[in-house]
Amino acid sequence: AQSVTQLDSHVSVSEGTPVLLRCNYSSSYSPSLFWYVQHPNKGLQLLLKYTSAATLVKGINGFEAEFKKSETSFHLTKPSAHMSDAAEYFCVVTSYTGTASKLTFGTGTRLQVTL
Amino acid sequence: DGGITQSPKYLFRKEGQNVTLSCEQNLNHDAMYWYRQDPGQGLRLIYYSQIVNDFQKGDIAEGYSVSREKKESFPLTVTSAQKNPTAFYLCASSIDGRFNQPQHFGDGTRLSIL
Repeated sequence: AQSVTQLDSHVSVSEGTPVLLRCNYSSSYSPSLFWYVQHPNKGLQLLLKYTSAATLVKGINGFEAEFKKSETSFHLTKPSAHMSDAAEYFCVVTSYTGTASKLTFGTGTRLQVTL
Repeated sequence: DGGITQSPKYLFRKEGQNVTLSCEQNLNHDAMYWYRQDPGQGLRLIYYSQIVNDFQKGDIAEGYSVSREKKESFPLTVTSAQKNPTAFYLCASSIDGRFNQPQHFGDGTRLSIL
């Protein structure tokens, strides 16, 4: 079975402070993992992607994520939040079982950035 | 400027009516997808197409239908059999049908019941 859990439905940070959005996954196969961002009434935009190369993945807008197999985690971080980072963030896991591919979205974390 | 265009942005459906959501892409991508997004939930896959003239059901295909007659176009019909159609619908594409490829998304269509 495959699943993804975003541990916080809502995170609030002050501008200029670090951001941590947590994601745990479960997969019986070697997964690929993504983070996407969604601004209100818009589609999703890819932030970064992990596909079994380097475990620390750098993305756009200063975000990065670290794949930790032993902890089955793929947390998203940013050293310093900006007001424009306020949005909904989705963690996504995909895997190929040998006969079929499976794609699963997390339920999202809403990031609020305050002055 | 390459991308995905969804239309209309807002759509209203009457009881017993079928409605069709448009999705067009000019990225020359082989694969296209339809998702449904409800508040507080992640995206759920309705249908996907890895190549022209072929498509597969996703996790919640009941009450929906699609066609893929052209590479650029993947329209979704919400039929009267879909009893709870109110949602935000997102179309996406990827360079090929492997799920480990990044997907590019349109800006969505919000469907409501009259």
